[in-house]
Amino acid sequence: RKEVEQDPGPFNVPEGATVAFNCTYSNSASQSFFWYRQDCRKEPKLLMSVYSSGNEDGRFTAQLNRASQYISLLIRDSKLSDSATYLCVVSHWSLNAGGTSYGKLTFGQGTILTVHP
Amino acid sequence: DGGITQSPKYLFRKEGQNVTLSCEQNLNHDAMYWYRQDPGQGLRLIYYSQIVNDFQKGDIAEGYSVSREKKESFPLTVTSAQKNPTAFYLCASGPRYGGPTDTQYFGPGTRLTVL
Repeated sequence: RKEVEQDPGPFNVPEGATVAFNCTYSNSASQSFFWYRQDCRKEPKLLMSVYSSGNEDGRFTAQLNRASQYISLLIRDSKLSDSATYLCVVSHWSLNAGGTSYGKLTFGQGTILTVHP
Repeated sequence: DGGITQSPKYLFRKEGQNVTLSCEQNLNHDAMYWYRQDPGQGLRLIYYSQIVNDFQKGDIAEGYSVSREKKESFPLTVTSAQKNPTAFYLCASGPRYGGPTDTQYFGPGTRLTVL
């Protein structure tokens, strides 16, 4: 089982639609959760962190369910410019070979969204 | 402008050659990371460094080497021992020593193709 799993899509939606992405993670010790956005052939960019109480940033709403180890991202009133790949990212402490700890990000494979006119 | 730069943007390598990918940041970040991305897969960690003169292997370090002589710079060498080096390479940095609550910021990437 992958550490972070997302529905790869693709999701094809018309402008103005509401679309939801789901993500599950396997490491119950995970501490932080993020959604990144990646445009075609570009680098990932942080879209938003995900907090336990859920959080909203404009048209974007993120939810976290620690008990179910589930994260979601809701996009309302989709725009053409929302077309991208959305990466679910989970972070936890990990030990390196030398015995010191660091925060390790684990990425899902991404969900592709295409918004059409 | 503060940010992370990577060069070159595209790189072509012949089999058997070593190549070095550059990563520079002027964000005053302590932690720096190298990832590779293959089509349809999530990013995978190659190496990371939490402070100058120290670096650690990630999940897929075989066939790669790094150095961290300056805070701003974290070059990655793809050696001939890396069996399948064609990929998109992303450098990232983070504001602290790299705890799990710290976000990472990515450079624009280098696309490496082996001919």
